[in-house]
Amino acid sequence: AQSVTQLDSHVSVSEGTPVLLRCNYSSSYSPSLFWYVQHPNKGLQLLLKYTSAATLVKGINGFEAEFKKSETSFHLTKPSAHMSDAAEYFCVVSLVSSGGYNKLIFGAGTRLAVHP
Amino acid sequence: DAGVIQSPRHEVTEMGQEVTLRCKPISGHDYLFWYRQTMMRGLELLIYFNNNVPIDDSGMPEDRFSAKMPNASFSTLKIQPSEPRDSAVYFCASSTDSAGDYTGELFFGEGSRLTVL
Repeated sequence: AQSVTQLDSHVSVSEGTPVLLRCNYSSSYSPSLFWYVQHPNKGLQLLLKYTSAATLVKGINGFEAEFKKSETSFHLTKPSAHMSDAAEYFCVVSLVSSGGYNKLIFGAGTRLAVHP
Repeated sequence: DAGVIQSPRHEVTEMGQEVTLRCKPISGHDYLFWYRQTMMRGLELLIYFNNNVPIDDSGMPEDRFSAKMPNASFSTLKIQPSEPRDSAVYFCASSTDSAGDYTGELFFGEGSRLTVL
């Protein structure tokens, strides 16, 4: 069965320092993986997606993620955090369900705090 | 484009009352999804539609929940009767294809925060 685990519920960094949000997935086939971001009192927004093309995926706002099949990981990184990056981040795996359509399975989320 | 529009943004009601949440998807999107977000359970898919037809409602908690999509520009999620455990943020999202396909991008509304007393 497909699932996704976000290893940290909270991450706190200082402005200007690197960000690492960890995600491991479980899938019986080559999955599609995504990162979504949710700012307070807002809906979710797609940051980036992996769909079996390049393993290093670049997204919006300077974020990127690397798909590592051997480690079943899809960690999200950013070289330098900005105050506006403070939000909740969701790692998501696509599940092919019966009937041929895909459903998204969301991780529990990682809340990122950025301090001055 | 105005994005996905949900109403109301906040709803406070008493147990036993009927609640109706509304959603207008992005024009041209043929998939519409209803999600529920709680601290305990995270984001859960309740139901989704393709071309106004319900495809998968296996996430709907129980018969008190119902969803309709009478046309391509409008959907409702109804809870009758409501219970305190239904308190959550309900999100509507739309897409141009089945989420997780070659784009996988869902466009979310800002949510409806429901509190049932």
